[in-house]
Amino acid sequence: DIQMTQSPSSLSTSVGDRVTITCRASQSISNFLNWYQQKTGKAPKLLIYAASSLQSGVPSRFSGSGSGTDFTLTISSLQPEDFATYYCQQSYSTPWAFGQGTKVEIK
Amino acid sequence: QLQLQESGPGLVKPSETLSLTCTVSGGFISSSGSYWGWIRQPPGKGLEWIGSIYYSGTTYYNPSLKSRVTISVDTSKNQFSLRLSSVTAADTAVYYCARPDSSNWGNFDYWGQGTLVTVSS
Repeated sequence: DIQMTQSPSSLSTSVGDRVTITCRASQSISNFLNWYQQKTGKAPKLLIYAASSLQSGVPSRFSGSGSGTDFTLTISSLQPEDFATYYCQQSYSTPWAFGQGTKVEIK
Repeated sequence: QLQLQESGPGLVKPSETLSLTCTVSGGFISSSGSYWGWIRQPPGKGLEWIGSIYYSGTTYYNPSLKSRVTISVDTSKNQFSLRLSSVTAADTAVYYCARPDSSNWGNFDYWGQGTLVTVSS
């Protein structure tokens, strides 16, 4: 099974900051990597699929990059509504696996 | 707009079977090429894929749960269901039903609101 590892597990940041979250797969997954945003008490929301494709309706301040084993989610200028937990997930082979999450908190 | 809604008991006793149903509205569960999935999240923890079912009935399970999981589809009711047997406290979680997008059946773009199931006597 493929394991997904995110870093950091949490970060404190301010509105307007640039935020970068990394995700590493235990083996190559090409570009089969998704990013989700989850707010407290809500279901996850798909932000980015295929490593760098923005899901419809997602603001352009979100971007993704990477291939193989190393991936990055970047928020170019953090907005108040972006404080949430972010998960990566591989969709290369079953069992689909998620990272442990990165909680983005207000400094 | 596709909508998914989980339903089922919020409390299950240890060693019993957890049963949940996901009702789909705004679309047909039997649409060609459609997969449907279950994902869970223990309180304060991360997400775990439980399994998925193809509209024709073919199932795919997480090996970590495979011996206890059954996912089925009822096209007449536009529903799919999850059964998890021999539950323990470790199965306490919010259970989500979800549908992947058409590009990859591992990309979950529609989710239910989730339902908390507590395993306790």
